[in-house]
Amino acid sequence: AQSVSQHNHHVILSEAASLELGCNYSYGGTVNLFWYVQYPGQHLQLLLKYFSGDPLVKGIKGFEAEFIKSKFSFNLRKPSVQWSDTAEYFCAVNAIDYGQNFVFGPGTRLSVLP
Amino acid sequence: NAGVTQTPKFRILKIGQSMTLQCTQDMNHNYMYWYRQDPGMGLKLIYYSVGAGITDKGEVPNGYNVSRSTTEDFPLRLELAAPSQTSVYFCASGGNFGQGTRLTVV
Repeated sequence: AQSVSQHNHHVILSEAASLELGCNYSYGGTVNLFWYVQYPGQHLQLLLKYFSGDPLVKGIKGFEAEFIKSKFSFNLRKPSVQWSDTAEYFCAVNAIDYGQNFVFGPGTRLSVLP
Repeated sequence: NAGVTQTPKFRILKIGQSMTLQCTQDMNHNYMYWYRQDPGMGLKLIYYSVGAGITDKGEVPNGYNVSRSTTEDFPLRLELAAPSQTSVYFCASGGNFGQGTRLTVV
């Protein structure tokens, strides 16, 4: 079965610090990969997605992610976080051969201190 | 192009009542999903659909039913509401999420 793990449950950073959130998945076939952000009390918003091509994907709000197939990873990065980036971040994997079923990681809570 | 639209945004049910959560997408996607999100937890798949007339169970289907008579609509039905169904429900299609329905069963 597919599974998605996120390395950290809660990350605390100061403003302007660099961010990297880890995401690993278990499926060995063709995958589509996503990062979502959920601000407090709001719904999930798509930050970025990878379907194919350049493994370095740029998303909204200055976020980017790198797909490393050999490591089954899709880590999210931002060079300089802001207080407004405080939110929950979810990695999701869609294994193509499993009928487009999205599997989500447990989420990482990011707190950015002003 | 509204994306994914969910209604209602909030609802309080008494134990044993029934309700339908509505979800509509205007992107002509075949795949649609219903998730629930409990406090401090990730998302768990309830049901999904790969196209009109086709639905399948996800990870936590008990207590719910779905139908998919059209490509656009994918309603989620709770027949006998239980406190364990207190949660936030999200409908998704093509990687896009609706705004969620916060349901409380008392």
